[in-house]
Amino acid sequence: EPEVTQTPSHQVTQMGQEVILRCVPISNHLYFYWYRQILGQKVEFLVSFYNNEISEKSEIFDDQFSVERPDGSNFTLKIRSTKLEDSAMYFCASSGTQDQPQHFGDGTRLSIL
Amino acid sequence: GQQVMQIPQYQHVQEGEDFTTYCNSSTTLSNIQWYKQRPGGHPVFLIQLVKSGEVKKQKRLTFQFGEAKKNSSLHITATQTTDVGTYFCAGPDNQGGKLIFGQGTELSVKP
Repeated sequence: EPEVTQTPSHQVTQMGQEVILRCVPISNHLYFYWYRQILGQKVEFLVSFYNNEISEKSEIFDDQFSVERPDGSNFTLKIRSTKLEDSAMYFCASSGTQDQPQHFGDGTRLSIL
Repeated sequence: GQQVMQIPQYQHVQEGEDFTTYCNSSTTLSNIQWYKQRPGGHPVFLIQLVKSGEVKKQKRLTFQFGEAKKNSSLHITATQTTDVGTYFCAGPDNQGGKLIFGQGTELSVKP
C-alpha cells in the first residue's frame, strides 16, 4: 500500500538554526498538509497546500515557517530560526481530494536545544 | 473557532472489557474520521463516516456518526492488548480540508 514517507525521523538542532523537514506524499495525491504534535498533546494543523500554493495556514504557521514543493514528489517544511517551543513531532499528510481521508507519514521528531 | 472535543482523556481497562470514546464537534461536520496512534507512532487512519446516523464496523470496533453530524463514538468490544494507543477523532474544517483533531483518548489495557 502506498505511504507517505518523511525524513529525517529525528532532527536535533540548536536554537536559532534553520531546519528543513522533508516529505514524499502518496504519488497521486493532490492535497498536502503539515501538522505538529507536542509531546502528550493533540495533533495541530499547521498548513495545507494545493496546486502549488498554500491554501490555508494556522496561527502557528508564522513568518518563520515556509513550505515548498520543489519538484513533483517532495514537499518540505522549513523553519527559518528555530525556537525551543518548536520541539515537537511534525507529521506530513496527503489526500487525493479535500474530502478523502488523510494519510500520515511516520513523522519527524524535532528537538531544539 | 471550530472545536472538536473528546472524552474521556484516559481509559484503563482490563483485557476483555469494552471501551468507548466520545467525540463532539462545535459545528456540523461533513464527515468524521478516526485515527489510532500507537505510543511513539503516527496517526493511522481507521475509518471515515459521512452520512447522518451512519454506523460502521471493523471487527471488534464499532463507529457511529450522530444524526446531527456533530458527534461520534468509537466502541471496542472485548479489548485486547493490541488495542493500546490513543484514539483521535478528527473533522474537516468548515472552509477547507484541514482536520481539527480532538484531544484523543488514551487507552491502556491490562492483561
